[in-house]
Amino acid sequence: DAGVIQSPRHEVTEMGQEVTLRCKPISGHDYLFWYRQTMMRGLELLIYFNNNVPIDDSGMPEDRFSAKMPNASFSTLKIQPSEPRDSAVYFCASSPPGRFTDTQYFGPGTRLTVL
Amino acid sequence: EDKVVQSPLSLVVHEGDTVTLNCSYEVTNFRSLLWYKQEKKAPTFLFMLTSSGIEKKSGRLSSILDKKELFSILNITATQTGDSAVYLCAVPGLDSNYQLIWGAGTKLIIKP
Repeated sequence: DAGVIQSPRHEVTEMGQEVTLRCKPISGHDYLFWYRQTMMRGLELLIYFNNNVPIDDSGMPEDRFSAKMPNASFSTLKIQPSEPRDSAVYFCASSPPGRFTDTQYFGPGTRLTVL
Repeated sequence: EDKVVQSPLSLVVHEGDTVTLNCSYEVTNFRSLLWYKQEKKAPTFLFMLTSSGIEKKSGRLSSILDKKELFSILNITATQTGDSAVYLCAVPGLDSNYQLIWGAGTKLIIKP
């Protein structure tokens, strides 16, 4: 399996622009997670899905952030409008059903820089 | 409130040394504890522990869980410069609907 796939790997944009991050989870996994990581705050869970349904979005910082999962193999995280404080590495992770469901596998991340 | 605490926060040793990293936790309805290694990229999964006293081993890395004292240790023997990374511990917590509660990590630096 190719693992969790994220795109783009790097994104540089200007304040006010819309940013869309993409994720393809590992086939067969039924949980998908979006995290943000910064030096100051570490890993923060933004939102997670189970079977394509958003379960908990309490970690989404504000209304500028939105996430969708239209099918089992694709999810997006959108920031509109972007701000410099959104600069971070955004990780997508997925986990399988069953007894190993706690084990999350991470994608390579998208490094977002908002100027 | 569920929490995970790692110690030390940082550690510098020489190649060949053995290191022990600690992770203590307080969670309601414990289910598992996970260790990850993060270099300058994404966290990569190392171990999942669910039972006390049973050592998980992978090469020079090993880990064990103590559910009575609520902690886990990660041992690395004969360290190499490639072991330099941040080691993260995470526990799913009832308070967070069993999503992972992450420790702050231990930054390990191996000097040649």
